[in-house]
Amino acid sequence: GENVEQHPSTLSVQEGDSAVIKCTYSDSASNYFPWYKQELGKGPQLIIDIRSNVGEKKDQRIAVTLNKTAKHFSLHITETQPEDSAVYFCAACSQGGSEKLVFGKGTKLTVNP
Amino acid sequence: EAQVTQNPRYLITVTGKKLTVTCSQNMNHEYMSWYRQDPGLGLRQIYYSMNVEVTDKGDVPEGYKVSRKEKRNFPLILESPSPNQTSLYFCASGTGQGTYEQYFGPGTRLTVT
Repeated sequence: GENVEQHPSTLSVQEGDSAVIKCTYSDSASNYFPWYKQELGKGPQLIIDIRSNVGEKKDQRIAVTLNKTAKHFSLHITETQPEDSAVYFCAACSQGGSEKLVFGKGTKLTVNP
Repeated sequence: EAQVTQNPRYLITVTGKKLTVTCSQNMNHEYMSWYRQDPGLGLRQIYYSMNVEVTDKGDVPEGYKVSRKEKRNFPLILESPSPNQTSLYFCASGTGQGTYEQYFGPGTRLTVT
């Protein structure tokens, strides 16, 4: 089955700096890669996603890149702000009926003012 | 407001006492799923449902039951809870049909003593 590895597990940056979180996946059949942000006491919130027919997607300060050959994808946050502090999860989803999301173990991002 | 709701949000119970965690969505989504979140293990799928009366096991289904009698509701049932089911539980829903986007509820923190 699919396995998703996520790095780093913790990341601390200064406000205004960029943050990059990387994930690798094992199943070449996976074709949907979402990123979720989880704030303390809340459920994961979908912030951006990318499908296998696209190499890069951007939404304001966040962007995601996908390298299908290498089976890795990354989240880029530019001009970080203290409210970006949260745990971020990547996930992969294979084709087929279950639409199961397989998650990475998360990255705790701290943005220092 | 489009949302996934869960009840209760917090629950402390004893071993063997049957309990149900409710999940409801108001987005007319066909797909619904339950995940549990544990430190160091991330989010893992318990059960999912592609539509009314259609349910299937995820990665960690042991000790859980689900039902999908109505499109909007997907309750999680623990017939005889055990301490190893102490966890944070999330319900999610999505349009299904190969779109893969899933939206999560606020979570239910369950403690079994």
